[in-house]
Amino acid sequence: AQSVAQPEDQVNVAEGNPLTVKCTYSVSGNPYLFWYVQYPNRGLQFLLKYITGDNLVKGSYGFEAEFNKSQTSFHLKKPSALVSDSALYFCAVRGGLTGGGNKLTFGTGTQLKVEL
Amino acid sequence: KAGVTQTPRYLIKTRGQQVTLSCSPISGHRSVSWYQQTPGQGLQFLFEYFSETQRNKGNFPGRFSGRQFSNSRSEMNVSTLELGDSALYLCASRRTSGGYEQYFGPGTRLTVT
Repeated sequence: AQSVAQPEDQVNVAEGNPLTVKCTYSVSGNPYLFWYVQYPNRGLQFLLKYITGDNLVKGSYGFEAEFNKSQTSFHLKKPSALVSDSALYFCAVRGGLTGGGNKLTFGTGTQLKVEL
Repeated sequence: KAGVTQTPRYLIKTRGQQVTLSCSPISGHRSVSWYQQTPGQGLQFLFEYFSETQRNKGNFPGRFSGRQFSNSRSEMNVSTLELGDSALYLCASRRTSGGYEQYFGPGTRLTVT
């Protein structure tokens, strides 16, 4: 069974500072990893994905994520946080071709708060 | 391109009733998945449809069902509603040639009283 852990319920960061939202995963086979963001009363917006290739992936709104196979991690990062980045962030994993189909398993979410 | 649309956006039902939620995927996307989001359980996978066939199902009781039409639009139905079914129901679509990421609609907020 696949699983995702987001160890921090909330992350606070000052505007202009770098931010990191942590994610670790467990899946059989090669992982397909995703980050989504959710604003209040909205659905999930896709930020970025790792399927294969370069371990550092770049996504929307200046976000990037680093895939680390040995640590089974996929941390979300941004060099300079904005107040408008404040939202709920979800990490998700889809099993490889042999496991789980297209089902996404989500972490519990991390509330990011960026303060002036 | 228009995004995933879901109707209705808000719904209030009484215990024991049934409800049908609708989802229109992004044009050209043929895979549709449904998820339930609650404060207690988080985001949970309900089912996935492709080519009018259910391809995958989550761990939900049989009261939860769905279907997909030939135009890829999808509906999900919940019968004999319980208070615990109160949730945000999210539909997501995916193009079936590569990509892998799913695009979500705004959700339907169901409240069961």
